[in-house]
Amino acid sequence: EIVLTQSPATLSLSPGERATLSCRASRSVSSYLVWYQQKPGRAPRLLIYDASNRATGIPARFSGSGSGTDFTLTISSLEPEDFAVYYCQQRSNWPITFGGGTKVEIK
Amino acid sequence: EVQLVESGGGLLQPGGSLRLSCAASGFTFSKYAMSWVRQAPGKGLEWVSAISGRDNSTYYADSVKGRFTISRDTSKNTLDLQMNSLRADDTAIYYCAKANSGWPIGYFDYWGQGTLVTVSS
Repeated sequence: EIVLTQSPATLSLSPGERATLSCRASRSVSSYLVWYQQKPGRAPRLLIYDASNRATGIPARFSGSGSGTDFTLTISSLEPEDFAVYYCQQRSNWPITFGGGTKVEIK
Repeated sequence: EVQLVESGGGLLQPGGSLRLSCAASGFTFSKYAMSWVRQAPGKGLEWVSAISGRDNSTYYADSVKGRFTISRDTSKNTLDLQMNSLRADDTAIYYCAKANSGWPIGYFDYWGQGTLVTVSS
């Protein structure tokens, strides 16, 4: 199974700051890496698919990059509604796996 | 508008059985792969099972293989998860999720609101 390791576990930032989240795969997933956002009590929401493609309706401040084993989700300028938990997921090999999550909290 | 509505969660004892259901609308249900993804209280996401939109082939996480069965009824647009031999570590919110294509190993572009399963004596 491909293990996804997200770092940091928690990111404390202020609105307007840039957030950089990392997801590292235990072996190559090519570009088959996905990012979700989850707010408390809510279902996850698709943000980025296949490493760098924004999902429908996702603001341009969210961007994804990377390939192989190292991936990054960047939020260029945090809005109040961006404080949440972010998960990466690989769809390269069975079983589908998720990272442990990065919580972006208000500093 | 795509909607996924789960039902069937509840409290039950270890060793028991439960059937979850997900009612789908707003898209051609038969063409898309579907999955169940769970989240234990305060924990991260764990993929549980998938069913292909191409040939109805099924896939399971090792943690549930042999105990859970995924199925779909395209005449009713429903996705089910039959859960047997339930254990305390199956306690979680169970989400129904639509894949982006008929291919089962996809990403999830729509999610239901989840249904809580609690296994406790």
